[in-house]
Amino acid sequence: DIQMTQSPSTLSASVGDKVTITCRASQNIDWWLAWYQQKPGKAPKLLIYMASYLESGVPSRFSGSGSGTEFTLTISSLQPDDFATYYCQQYGTFLWTFGQGTKVDIK
Amino acid sequence: QVQLLESGPGLVKPSQTLSLTCTVSGASINGGGSYWTWVRQNPGMGLEWIGNIYYSGSTSYNPSLKSRLTISQDKSKNQFSLKLTSVTAADTAVYFCARDQEDIVRTHKPYAMDIWGQGTTVTVSS
Repeated sequence: DIQMTQSPSTLSASVGDKVTITCRASQNIDWWLAWYQQKPGKAPKLLIYMASYLESGVPSRFSGSGSGTEFTLTISSLQPDDFATYYCQQYGTFLWTFGQGTKVDIK
Repeated sequence: QVQLLESGPGLVKPSQTLSLTCTVSGASINGGGSYWTWVRQNPGMGLEWIGNIYYSGSTSYNPSLKSRLTISQDKSKNQFSLKLTSVTAADTAVYFCARDQEDIVRTHKPYAMDIWGQGTTVTVSS
């Protein structure tokens, strides 16, 4: 199975900060990567698909980049609504696997 | 507006069968373009992909669960279901159903879960 490793596991930031989360795949997955945001007690919400495509309705402060084995999710200016846990998921090779998550909390 | 809603018992005894249903509204499960998927999240943990079903009836399962898992569909009710046999405490989790979009242009692989149910908590305990 492809292992997805996110870093950091926890990130403390302030409103207005630029935030970057990294996701590394143990094998090449081309651009077959999605990013999700999850808040406590809620279902995950799709943010980015195919590494860099912004899901409809998602604010433009979110962006994704990368290909192959290294990917990033960037929040250009952190807003109060963005404090949450973020997961990457690969679709490069079956079994589709998730990263362990990155929790973004208030500094 | 597409909506998914999970239903089923919140408590299952060890060694018994966990059965959940996902009711889809606003879209038909009887057509290409989507894989209908189950994902779970153990308490305080990350996400685990369980399996999916395509409108043709074709299924894919997580190998770690395959021997205990069945995913099926009822097109007349626009529902798909999960059955997991011989459950243990390790199967205690929040179970989500989701629509996974299909890459209909090239690979026909799924590529993003864009619509999710609210999740249902299942506890395995005697």
